[in-house]
Amino acid sequence: AQKVTQAQTEISVVEKEDVTLDCVYETRDTTYYLFWYKQPPSGELVFLIRRNSFDEQNEISGRYSWNFQKSTSSFNFTITASQVVDSAVYFCALSERGTGNQFYFGTGTSLTVIP
Amino acid sequence: DTGVSQDPRHKITKRGQNVTFRCDPISEHNRLYWYRQTLGQGPEFLTYFQNEAQLEKSRLLSDRFSAERPKGSFSTLEIQRTEQGDSAMYLCASSFSEQGHNEQFFGPGTRLTVL
Repeated sequence: AQKVTQAQTEISVVEKEDVTLDCVYETRDTTYYLFWYKQPPSGELVFLIRRNSFDEQNEISGRYSWNFQKSTSSFNFTITASQVVDSAVYFCALSERGTGNQFYFGTGTSLTVIP
Repeated sequence: DTGVSQDPRHKITKRGQNVTFRCDPISEHNRLYWYRQTLGQGPEFLTYFQNEAQLEKSRLLSDRFSAERPKGSFSTLEIQRTEQGDSAMYLCASSFSEQGHNEQFFGPGTRLTVL
């Protein structure tokens, strides 16, 4: 079974629009960690944010914000005032305390920001 | 540049040949990971080292695959008797963790094409 589901395959927005990327995860662990990574056309995965399962608060960091909802097993990521440089594939990942240190990645959402 | 480096960046080989990839992690990182990524998919975990010890191996890592991290610094991933299905991007990542699951920092990857 897929542990991380990113239902949105591709999204296009016009520059300066806000965009939310969805992520739904599945785990039986009570302690787990969630991450968002960006993979620009150059190919290198870039770490964006991390959330621990025991951190209840949602945060904002610059133009990025995230909404962690345990009740719905969702970890959505929002980019405010999108820019062309935000165009990339975004991956959500899960790491479970009980199954070691591997990351389980979703299939990614390809974001295109149109100028 | 103090990021994760991988060599070579591209490798084209004929079916049945052996190939070896190298990864140099961020110097103070004690954990090193190998992932494989195919087109349109997220990275899939292959194996993980803590210092020089290989602690986890995925079922994806068949007998033809072997990884080493002899001195707890750089790592090599060897694929013997390559098959066309081995064509993929091979990603290396590193992290510093004593407890918990910190973010992993990825290298640029080695793109393998098996003809």
